[in-house]
Amino acid sequence: QKEVEQDPGPLSVPEGAIVSLNCTYSNSAFQYFMWYRQYSRKGPELLMYTYSSGNKEDGRFTAQVDKSSKYISLFIRDSQPSDSATYLCAMSEDSGGSNYKLTFGKGTLLTVNP
Amino acid sequence: NAGVTQTPKFQVLKTGQSMTLQCAQDMNHNSMYWYRQDPGMGLRLIYYSASEGTTDKGEVPNGYNVSRLNKREFSLRLESAAPSQTSVYFCASSAQQNSPLHFGNGTRLTVT
Repeated sequence: QKEVEQDPGPLSVPEGAIVSLNCTYSNSAFQYFMWYRQYSRKGPELLMYTYSSGNKEDGRFTAQVDKSSKYISLFIRDSQPSDSATYLCAMSEDSGGSNYKLTFGKGTLLTVNP
Repeated sequence: NAGVTQTPKFQVLKTGQSMTLQCAQDMNHNSMYWYRQDPGMGLRLIYYSASEGTTDKGEVPNGYNVSRLNKREFSLRLESAAPSQTSVYFCASSAQQNSPLHFGNGTRLTVT
C-alpha cells in the first residue's frame, strides 16, 4: 500500500460549484499536512498548511484533517475557472516538519468550466 | 522578484550524454531541493541542501550529483543520461528546512 493515495481525476465541475479534493494515507506518524496547487507548465505553489487534526480556512479554501481516519480534504467554495489546476497533497512525519521528509500525493487534475 | 529560476526550460539528450541543470534563488533562502515529477509517480526528492555547504540524498539520488555552489545556486548534474531520467525536474527553496517550499517552473528533460 502506497503511503499517500490521491485520486488523479480528472475532475470537471461548473463554475460556482463546491469542490472536494481528498487524500488518504497509511502512516499514522504524519503530523504536517499541506496542499499545493500546480498550474500547467508551472511549479507547485503552497495553498494551505495544517498541523495535526482540525480545520483551517483561507478565503474560499478550507483544509480539513481527520487523523483518526487518515484522511485529509481540501474544499474550494464558489470555484472559479482560475482554480483549474492540479492539486497535490503533501505530508510529513518529521517532528520539525522538515521538507526533506515530505511525501507528495500524485495530484488531482481539476477543471472548472465557465 | 524572480524567486526560483531554472535553466534550461527544455532539453533533449542522447543516452550517455551529460548535462547540468541550473537553479538560482533570490530570496536568501537557506535550503534548496531538487525534485523530479513523473506521470503517476508524483514529486520525488532527488537531493537537497539544508544549508550552504551541505548536501544530502533524497528518495531517488542514483544517477545524479549536486553542487551547492553558494547560498543562491544549487545545480543538478546527470553524468551519463538514461531514458529513465526523462522527467520534469523542479528546483525548490525554503527559508528553513520546515518553511514553505518555493518552486521554480521546471526543466523538461527528454533522454532518447
